Amino acid sequence: EAQVTQNPRYLITVTGKKLTVTCSQNMNHEYMSWYRQDPGLGLRQIYYSMNVEVTDKGDVPEGYKVSRKEKRNFPLILESPSPNQTSLYFCASAGRNQPQHFGDGTRLSIL
Amino acid sequence: KQEVTQIPAALSVPEGENLVLNCSFTDSAIYNLQWFRQDPGKGLTSLLLIQSSQREQTSGRLNASLDKSSGRSTLYIAASQPGDSATYLCAVKAPDSWGKLQFGAGTQVVVTP
Repeated sequence: EAQVTQNPRYLITVTGKKLTVTCSQNMNHEYMSWYRQDPGLGLRQIYYSMNVEVTDKGDVPEGYKVSRKEKRNFPLILESPSPNQTSLYFCASAGRNQPQHFGDGTRLSIL
Repeated sequence: KQEVTQIPAALSVPEGENLVLNCSFTDSAIYNLQWFRQDPGKGLTSLLLIQSSQREQTSGRLNASLDKSSGRSTLYIAASQPGDSATYLCAVKAPDSWGKLQFGAGTQVVVTP
């Protein structure tokens, strides 16, 4: 089954403790992206990747890192999480000119 | 900077009525426009993708139109059902960036039996 898989689905952690949210897709898509969704602010793009080793900033990249060492994986790294990064995070992938497929989301709470 | 607006923010209709959802964008230079559905606590499901050269796309009870010159897209859902209750979002892709998507805030739809 074609899917985008995010882990973990839920995480409660503390300020400053490094964390990684993994994202994997099984559709051989070139394009992958991370978004955060906040009430009143909607969906905002954090980073995206057009292929292996090619990444670019979205609208809200501060405080986040990404890497694309393999085509199927696109982890989101929070080196020193802060409470303002508490949010619902989505990973998405797409082939060129194709609709984006979204994961089920990761709800992060940073205390 | 591209801005995407969806009005109304919320909509309630009785079952069987047709739904009309609006999406407007400020910069007509778009690569494509996509409509999504989001159920509470879930990810986004792609409904329709319209390329900039197209005027409309159809899938079952869904029809989406695109008027680039006026910066508008409309999603029509025929004969609404309670299962259509969800939040509907539109997103535009800029032509100068392969991956960047700009989302609207969404329209929350409730279809009452």
